[in-house]
Amino acid sequence: AQSVTQPDIHITVSEGASLELRCNYSYGATPYLFWYVQSPGQGLQLLLKYFSGDTLVQGIKGFEAEFKRSQSSFNLRKPSVHWSDAAEYFCAVVETGGGNKLTFGTGTQLKVEL
Amino acid sequence: DAMVIQNPRYQVTQFGKPVTLSCSQTLNHNVMYWYQQKSSQAPKLLFHYYDKDFNNEADTPDNFQSRRPNTSFCFLDIRSPGLGDAAMYLCATRGRTGAYEQYFGPGTRLTVT
Repeated sequence: AQSVTQPDIHITVSEGASLELRCNYSYGATPYLFWYVQSPGQGLQLLLKYFSGDTLVQGIKGFEAEFKRSQSSFNLRKPSVHWSDAAEYFCAVVETGGGNKLTFGTGTQLKVEL
Repeated sequence: DAMVIQNPRYQVTQFGKPVTLSCSQTLNHNVMYWYQQKSSQAPKLLFHYYDKDFNNEADTPDNFQSRRPNTSFCFLDIRSPGLGDAAMYLCATRGRTGAYEQYFGPGTRLTVT
């Protein structure tokens, strides 16, 4: 069965600093990978996705992620964090077929210090 | 803008009193999902509809039911809410072809007293 691991439960960065959130997946075939962001009391917003092709994908709000098959990773990055980026971030992989269900990681809570 | 709408945003119900949560979408997506999300946890899939076909997750309690009267609307019924059912309930949709990403509504926060 597929799985997603986000090793960091909490991360704190200073505003303006760079950010990298880690995600590792376990999946037998080519994975379809996503990053979602959830602000407090809100639903999940899609930041970016990887299906195939260029392994560096650009998303909304200045985020990017790099797919590394050799490391089974899909880390999320942002060169300069803004205070409004404080939120919970979920990495997810889709199980193709059978409803195309998303398997989520446990999430990383990002705190931004001013 | 095309979107996923959930009503109400906050719902308070009493222990054992049936409650219905609503989801509607203007995306014309054929797949709709219901998730339960407890504090500081990832969303947990309860069930989904592929068109009119209902698909229940194996570990979803019988207390949770769903209806999809048409493409646009989907309801989550909790027949006898317990204190453990207090959570955020998220609705999501997905299009038919070549797209695996799901689009989420803002959620309904359910409190059970």
